[in-house]
Amino acid sequence: QLQLQESGPGLVKPSETLSLTCTVSGGSIGSSGYFWGWIRQPPEKGLEWIGNIYYSGSTYCSSSLKSRVTISVDTSQNQFSVKLSSVTAADTAVYYCARLNWGSVEAFDIWGRGTMVTVSS
Amino acid sequence: QSALTQPRSVSGSPGQSVTISCTGTNSDVGNYNYVSWYQQHPGKAPKLMIFDVSRRPSGVPDRFSGSKSGNTASLTISGLQAEDEANYYCCSYAGSNTWVFGGGTKLTVL
Repeated sequence: QLQLQESGPGLVKPSETLSLTCTVSGGSIGSSGYFWGWIRQPPEKGLEWIGNIYYSGSTYCSSSLKSRVTISVDTSQNQFSVKLSSVTAADTAVYYCARLNWGSVEAFDIWGRGTMVTVSS
Repeated sequence: QSALTQPRSVSGSPGQSVTISCTGTNSDVGNYNYVSWYQQHPGKAPKLMIFDVSRRPSGVPDRFSGSKSGNTASLTISGLQAEDEANYYCCSYAGSNTWVFGGGTKLTVL
């Protein structure tokens, strides 16, 4: 059964770079038909799509975050990562990684449990 | 990519039906049949309930149904149960490999 697990620092200082990794287990990140995405949720607010990556390295990001976001994939480690630069308090959120099943479901069908990241000095 | 518009809250009594709307534009909801709905209980990760506007993943009760008309998608939950109390989010493909979520709706079972 495919599982996703986010990892990374829970506290980041303003103006620094937030870095998170999602480890995929129970399946290969290199399987065709699947994208791997990042979604975040500020406290008491809704979900916001950050971006997706395909195992080939093709990335697609939200226009509102594009200038600050880098998404990468490491197929040898079955992991993908997100970096968000120049963070502010507005970037405080639970960050989820999820699988985008494209071709048969066209939705984010498997999610990690999420990791809380607080931006504070 | 502006967030899709959902009502902040809806409520219903056990056994009743409720419908949650999700309004987008002709660049997202209105142009693609790739609308999905997610259920999120407090402190938990979202769970996929509906995909491709009206299809249910295996294991999701048939009390949950989805539809779309123009730029508005809807999630209907019939035969409300206490465990349905949660936040619900819609999501739509917006073209060029981008996605947009709704602001979320809190469902209260009275």
